[in-house]
Amino acid sequence: AQSVTQPDIHITVSEGASLELRCNYSYGATPYLFWYVQSPGQGLQLLLKYFSGDTLVQGIKGFEAEFKRSQSSFNLRKPSVHWSDAAEYFCAVGATAGGTSYGKLTFGQGTILTVHP
Amino acid sequence: DAGVTQSPTHLIKTRGQQVTLRCSPISGHKSVSWYQQVLGQGPQFIFQYYEKEERGRGNFPDRFSARQFPNYSSELNVNALLLGDSALYLCASSYDRGGDTQYFGPGTRLTVL
Repeated sequence: AQSVTQPDIHITVSEGASLELRCNYSYGATPYLFWYVQSPGQGLQLLLKYFSGDTLVQGIKGFEAEFKRSQSSFNLRKPSVHWSDAAEYFCAVGATAGGTSYGKLTFGQGTILTVHP
Repeated sequence: DAGVTQSPTHLIKTRGQQVTLRCSPISGHKSVSWYQQVLGQGPQFIFQYYEKEERGRGNFPDRFSARQFPNYSSELNVNALLLGDSALYLCASSYDRGGDTQYFGPGTRLTVL
């Protein structure tokens, strides 16, 4: 069964500082990996995704993430955080093979990002 | 282009009642998935429908059911509501059954009193 761990429940950074949100996954093969962002009371917006190929993927709003197979990680980074980045961030894994899990996304618990001026 | 739409936005029900939530996918998308997000947690997979057939089911009781219509829109039904069913219900659509990006709607906030 696939699973996702986001070790940091809450992270606080100053505006302009760099950011790294951690994500570790468990899956028997190379998974599909996603980062979504959610503002309070809102749905999920896709930031970026990894399906195959280049392990460093670029997303919207200046975010990037790196897939590291050896560490089963897909950490999200941003070089300079803006106050508008304050939100909750979810890492998700999707199955790549057929079967009952195909098409299902498994999410981590989320990391709440607070940005200080 | 219109994104995924869900209705209603908010809903208040009492224990034991039944509720129906609706979702319209992005035009051209054939797959609809439903997720439950309890406050403070990540979304949990409930169902996936693709080409009007159930293709996946999460660990939810039989009180939860869904269907997909010929125009690919979908309904999620929950019977005999419990307090623990209070959550944000998210619908996501994708073109294909799997290996594809899921785009989420704004959700329906269900409160059970």
